[in-house]
Amino acid sequence: AQKITQTQPGMFVQEKEAVTLDCTYDTSDQSYGLFWYKQPSSGEMIFLIYQGSYDEQNATEGRYSLNFQKARKSANLVISASQLGDSAMYFCANSLRGGYNKLIFGAGTRLAVHP
Amino acid sequence: ETGVTQTPRHLVMGMTNKKSLKCEQHLGHNAMYWYKQSAKKPLELMFVYSLEERVENNSVPSRFSPECPNSSHLFLHLHTLQPEDSALYLCASSPGDSNYGYTFGSGTRLTVV
Repeated sequence: AQKITQTQPGMFVQEKEAVTLDCTYDTSDQSYGLFWYKQPSSGEMIFLIYQGSYDEQNATEGRYSLNFQKARKSANLVISASQLGDSAMYFCANSLRGGYNKLIFGAGTRLAVHP
Repeated sequence: ETGVTQTPRHLVMGMTNKKSLKCEQHLGHNAMYWYKQSAKKPLELMFVYSLEERVENNSVPSRFSPECPNSSHLFLHLHTLQPEDSALYLCASSPGDSNYGYTFGSGTRLTVV
């Protein structure tokens, strides 16, 4: 069965510093996707970044980058130049292929950015 | 305002009440999902609708009843809930067989008293 592991229940970082949030996944599929979502206290899940299993380069979206190590089955999120507004829950997710798109989520990491 | 709208944002209901959660998307997506998010637990996938047909029901108690009348609307009908059903209920949609993830609504925070 698909499984996503986020080993850091909570992290804190100083404003303007970079932070890495860990994610490992377990899948037997050859083709899959990896996602990161941000959930502020308002509850909405905000899509941040996507990495396809066949993508050779690490995905980047502004201050977000995904450190994809396929052999180790890890997909860590790197946030550069942290801002106070980055304080939120962060979820890693893995897509299952099929007739529809199904995401399995990790337990999440709560990030606190300190001034 | 996101592309997926959920109403109400907050709901308090008694255990004997019947209520419905509504989700609406006009993104042209053909798959819609209900997730439950309880405190200190991963998101739990409850139901999946693809092309208005329910394709997944993850052992959800019958007191939760989904309905998908068309590709833009999804409902979750609630009746005789338990206090442990209190959670954030998130609706999402996606283009279907895609690697572009979901668009989520803002959720309905449900409290069962």
